[in-house]
Amino acid sequence: SSELTQDPAVSVALGQTVRITCQGDSLRTYSASWYQQKPGQAPVLVISAKNNRPSGIPDRFSGSSSGNTASLTITGAQAEDEADYYCNSRDTSGNRLWVFGGGTKLTVL
Amino acid sequence: QLQLVESGGGVVQPGRSLRLSCTASGFTFSTYGMDWVRQAPGKGLEWVALIWNDGINKFYADSVKGRFTISRDNSKNTLYLQMNSLRAEDTAVYYCARDVDGGFDMWGQGTMVTVSS
Repeated sequence: SSELTQDPAVSVALGQTVRITCQGDSLRTYSASWYQQKPGQAPVLVISAKNNRPSGIPDRFSGSSSGNTASLTITGAQAEDEADYYCNSRDTSGNRLWVFGGGTKLTVL
Repeated sequence: QLQLVESGGGVVQPGRSLRLSCTASGFTFSTYGMDWVRQAPGKGLEWVALIWNDGINKFYADSVKGRFTISRDNSKNTLYLQMNSLRAEDTAVYYCARDVDGGFDMWGQGTMVTVSS
């Protein structure tokens, strides 16, 4: 099965822009979705693999991809955006398996 | 309202079994694939299993293949995970999630499974 690699930790100053990346061979074939998880809570989908924001997700969250890298960009980060972020995509085995990245801890300074 | 509620977690000895349930409400359960995703304490998310809406096609992570069985009862809007031969490394919060083409768009609150003697 494939793997997705994320930086363990990223920080951003309040109101600035931050990009969280996810690398993996499967991303050359399949799009990534992104999830936000705050302590003690279930994950929440913030960007779908179709690059849509679910209802209720602020428009400061956006997704993009190039080659084997997918990115989640937060434009004008807010204190409430401090959380763990996980990417996810189909596995390249073709059996419609799912794979998650290891997660990125975002700190808003 | 749209909701997924897991139940059935607890403390179990290594080698024993446990069955988790996930009850759905607020949407047409029978039209969606459903997954189980787990998260060990302090660790990241790990996909565990997927079942298509027809209840026939099932897929598993290598770490649970042969020990766990995913199933569903569309008449009861309920997803299940039968976990046999449990190991310490299966200790985690188990989430059920609704599977759409773009990812997992709904998650339950999770149920904790602790495997310990």
